[in-house]
Amino acid sequence: AQSVTQPDIHITVSEGASLELRCNYSYGATPYLFWYVQSPGQGLQLLLKYFSGDTLVQGIKGFEAEFKRSQSSFNLRKPSVHWSDAAEYFCAVGAVGAGNMLTFGGGTRLMVKP
Amino acid sequence: DAEITQSPRHKITETGRQVTLACHQTWNHNNMFWYRQDLGHGLRLIHYSYGVQDTNKGEVSDGYSVSRSNTEDLPLTLESAASSQTSVYFCASSETQGKDTQYFGPGTRLTVL
Repeated sequence: AQSVTQPDIHITVSEGASLELRCNYSYGATPYLFWYVQSPGQGLQLLLKYFSGDTLVQGIKGFEAEFKRSQSSFNLRKPSVHWSDAAEYFCAVGAVGAGNMLTFGGGTRLMVKP
Repeated sequence: DAEITQSPRHKITETGRQVTLACHQTWNHNNMFWYRQDLGHGLRLIHYSYGVQDTNKGEVSDGYSVSRSNTEDLPLTLESAASSQTSVYFCASSETQGKDTQYFGPGTRLTVL
């Protein structure tokens, strides 16, 4: 069975600083990988996804993520954080042939200092 | 615009009562999912459906049931609510199986006293 680990429960960055949120997955084959963002009191919104091809994926709101097979990682990055990026971020893995079921990590809560 | 809605948004109930949470999507998606969100656990899959009359158990299905009588709706029923089922519940849908994006509803916060 697949699993996802987000090692950082909380991260605080200053506005304008760069950001990297870590995600490690466990799966025996090439996974489908997703990053979702959840603003307070809201549902989850897709930031970006990786299925195959170019390992650097661009998403909405200036986010990108890089798939590294050798490290089983799919870290999310943003070069300059805005106060509106404060939210909870979830990494998820979907298994090929598993009917679109996703396994989510525990989430990383991002706080942005002015 | 197509959307996915959940009702109620907040509910307080008592232990032992039956509770039904509604999920309605206008995407015309075949796949629908129910998750619960708890601190430190992210989202965990409760039940899912790949189409009308199809339902399947997820990771944490004990104490929950679903039925799919049409494409648009997948209600989640707690047969006899327990305090351990206090959580935030999210419904999601996707077009087909495989790698399609799941679209999430706004969530229902359920408190069982």
